[in-house]
Amino acid sequence: IVLTQSPLSLSVTPGQPASISCQSSQSLLHSDGKTYLSWYVQRPGQSPQLLIQEVSNRFSGVAHRFSGSGSGTDFTLKISRVEAEDVGVYYCMQNLELPLTFGGGTKVEIK
Amino acid sequence: QVQLQQSGPGLVRPSETLSLTCAVSGLPISSDYYWGWIRQPPGKGLEWLGTVHHGGSAYYNPSLRSRVTISVDTSKSQLSLLVTSVTAADTAVYYCARPSGSNWYDAFDVWGQGTMVSVSS
Repeated sequence: IVLTQSPLSLSVTPGQPASISCQSSQSLLHSDGKTYLSWYVQRPGQSPQLLIQEVSNRFSGVAHRFSGSGSGTDFTLKISRVEAEDVGVYYCMQNLELPLTFGGGTKVEIK
Repeated sequence: QVQLQQSGPGLVRPSETLSLTCAVSGLPISSDYYWGWIRQPPGKGLEWLGTVHHGGSAYYNPSLRSRVTISVDTSKSQLSLLVTSVTAADTAVYYCARPSGSNWYDAFDVWGQGTMVSVSS
């Protein structure tokens, strides 16, 4: 499964919203009714961190300004009000089937 | 909380075997979780290598299956990665990681610190 993210990069003014798209080459809806798309952020010099799993479930401790939406093949990660600490590269990942694959990443910078 | 501490050489010669370990603390490695490896070539995205369970179940990326072996040593509470016949294309930061639930395909919620491995003579 190929995941295509857009845009490649994003420059955002603090306090403004940001949106990242992830498009899958096939539906990520499993027969169990769940959709296996997750989001990660890799801050500079750090390991990736899980933000959201199963499209819209925020992981424990993740700020409420992060939200995920979508279905089937089209998904979006939104940051309601970008903060300086949100700088990094954001990746989507499909965990519907083997091999697990990641999108190419979207770099978020602060203006 | 669960912590993953990676170790291993930062330089491997072409055609040799890359070997990394990941020490698990805060949770028995023999618990009902899977454990995996993911890598990231310099300046590039993430590539899943494989995920295994101490009980023997293993899932690998088909593109690397013939060269990658992941194993769990419960006596040492550590996870290991072997990549044979390495080339420059295997140069990457390697991460160990744990799926968040009891399924091999669950999202990864705990990550090691990463180990940069360069393949060069």
